[in-house]
Amino acid sequence: SQQGEEDPQALSIQEGENATMNCSYKTSINNLQWYRQNSGRGLVHLILIRSNEREKHSGRLRVTLDTSKKSSSLLITASRAADTASYFCATDTYDKVIFGPGTSLSVIP
Amino acid sequence: GAGVSQSPSNKVTEKGKDVELRCDPISGHTALYWYRQSLGQGLEFLIYFQGNSAPDKSGLPSDRFSAERTGGSVSTLTIQRTQQEDSAVYLCASSFQGNEELFFGSGTQLSVL
Repeated sequence: SQQGEEDPQALSIQEGENATMNCSYKTSINNLQWYRQNSGRGLVHLILIRSNEREKHSGRLRVTLDTSKKSSSLLITASRAADTASYFCATDTYDKVIFGPGTSLSVIP
Repeated sequence: GAGVSQSPSNKVTEKGKDVELRCDPISGHTALYWYRQSLGQGLEFLIYFQGNSAPDKSGLPSDRFSAERTGGSVSTLTIQRTQQEDSAVYLCASSFQGNEELFFGSGTQLSVL
């Protein structure tokens, strides 16, 4: 079974709107990371939040972590067409990094 | 090099043949990961190296899959007697010590005919 699972599986919004993706996981973690993958192969690291942190910002990205609920959210504000991609959460479980199935985001110009 | 390098970029092989995929991590990165991604799916964990040792091989799908890392640097993933279900993109990533952000290569697209 998946360690991390994102929802929704797919999200379509208008340019300028905010996009929120959620990630739930099962076991204790050292940190949680979010990655983006454009069509093609390479994944790009967006942000890392440690288990003792609750919120982190990076540009238009805001990540929250609730270890009591074993969940995280990624908020992208003022979305752009270039934000169209798949977004994955990845949980570092002290011995390996496990990815969820991802959320496919479409930003319509 | 500046980033994680994987070769070949694409590999087409016949069912039953062996293939070897290579990953050159970022210099100085001690942790190295292999993942597999089927079309439209998430990343499936295969194996993780810390230095030359692999503490966790639990993700390898079958005994046809093996991986090694030498000199704390280059890693090879070998698939013996390939099957059509092995077709996927194989991604390699490295990180400075583990527990930090992963830097990904562009992957190897494996097609088994």
